[in-house]
Amino acid sequence: QVQLVQSGAEVKKPGSSVKVSCKGSGGALSSQSFSWVRQAPGQGLEWLGRFIPVFAKANYAQKFQGRVTITADDSTNTAYMELSSLRSDDTAVYYCARDLYAYGSGTYTYWGQGTLVTVSS
Amino acid sequence: QSALTQPRSVSGSPGQSVTISCSGSSSDVGRYNYVSWYQQHPGKVPKLIIRDVTERLSGVPDRFSGSKSGNTASLTISGLQAEDESEYYCCSYAGSFVVFGGGTKLTVL
Repeated sequence: QVQLVQSGAEVKKPGSSVKVSCKGSGGALSSQSFSWVRQAPGQGLEWLGRFIPVFAKANYAQKFQGRVTITADDSTNTAYMELSSLRSDDTAVYYCARDLYAYGSGTYTYWGQGTLVTVSS
Repeated sequence: QSALTQPRSVSGSPGQSVTISCSGSSSDVGRYNYVSWYQQHPGKVPKLIIRDVTERLSGVPDRFSGSKSGNTASLTISGLQAEDESEYYCCSYAGSFVVFGGGTKLTVL
């Protein structure tokens, strides 16, 4: 059974960066595509981007292009999401999610527990 | 990269049926059969309940069904039960990206 365990809550200043990790167990995390999805307080789910192992590259939502970087470390079975130039409206719970399909279809069978990132001065 | 359109809320009485629509475009919902539905209870992680437009995940009651016509996908819940009260999100593959709907709050009256 695949499990995804994310790093703990973070409090960041506006303009800074945050890097959230997602460690997989019970299977190679990057054997399938994985994505990062966020949820602001009281809001819906928002897709940030995905890593596609078969191409060894990441795709990002247009809204976050230039601010988000998604990577994977196969040696530690860990995925990372780094978001820069943080603003108060980046305050959200950030989830990693493993896709059923290698090409990143949006079919997320496994989710991390979520990491709350709070951006506040 | 616009979000898929869902009604903000729907409601029904126990035993009734409700349908949640998810409107996209010919570039996402209309083009690919990779539409999925997630159920999210307050404070919980989203749970995949329908994948590939119509496929129910193991353990999901057969009261839940998915369909698609043109650029609109739908989730139908028949025989409503109190535990179905939740937030529901649709999601679609769109080639170079993935897009979610805004979410629908289902209230069981």
